[in-house]
Amino acid sequence: DSGVTQTPKHLITATGQRVTLRCSPRSGDLSVYWYQQSLDQGLQFLIQYYNGEERAKGNILERFSAQQFPDLHSELNLSSLELGDSALYFCASSLRTEMNTEAFFGQGTRLTVV
Amino acid sequence: QKEVEQDPGPLSVPEGAIVSLNCTYSNSAFQYFMWYRQYSRKGPELLMYTYSSGNKEDGRFTAQVDKSSKYISLFIRDSQPSDSATYLCAMRRTTDSWGKFQFGAGTQVVVTP
Repeated sequence: DSGVTQTPKHLITATGQRVTLRCSPRSGDLSVYWYQQSLDQGLQFLIQYYNGEERAKGNILERFSAQQFPDLHSELNLSSLELGDSALYFCASSLRTEMNTEAFFGQGTRLTVV
Repeated sequence: QKEVEQDPGPLSVPEGAIVSLNCTYSNSAFQYFMWYRQYSRKGPELLMYTYSSGNKEDGRFTAQVDKSSKYISLFIRDSQPSDSATYLCAMRRTTDSWGKFQFGAGTQVVVTP
């Protein structure tokens, strides 16, 4: 168990809908990262928050947004869902952001858009 | 063409054999190189990371980086059935935030008893 908790584990929803994925980082970790893993695109970095502030952006669609709350948990909001958004969404957390700081991944949320 | 290329496998080896995995990349600005292991239905876990060129060893695992050839490798000695997983390489530039990696597609490894 990495200590990173993601809910829900599975989510099935229809096209056009909006969903919220939740991530609770390891105790004390300030940095949260979101990734999308799909069969055709592999694992892709979406966005990073550090202590409540956005730190870096990757290949995140405009229909997606995220935030990190004062208690350091983070939410990834996906709207106007399309079939192609079906994927595993991972959250990772780390204490700091330097290279030699290991980040720990949660078990992911499997999103299926039908 | 993707910035990071990795053969998806599957790579099947008998228990005790050496597993050899590799990735090639096109962006010469990549300086940090990582290997992750991902078991089915689990999140990736960091195995090793190296900075710039050279070798690094940790137990049964050896990571090599050849920047002149834009080629990185991971070797697993004395492989065990518990090593059966997908192995992803990842890399990033010095100027990028820590998590902003480019991942390979992952190689599925099967170690048979």
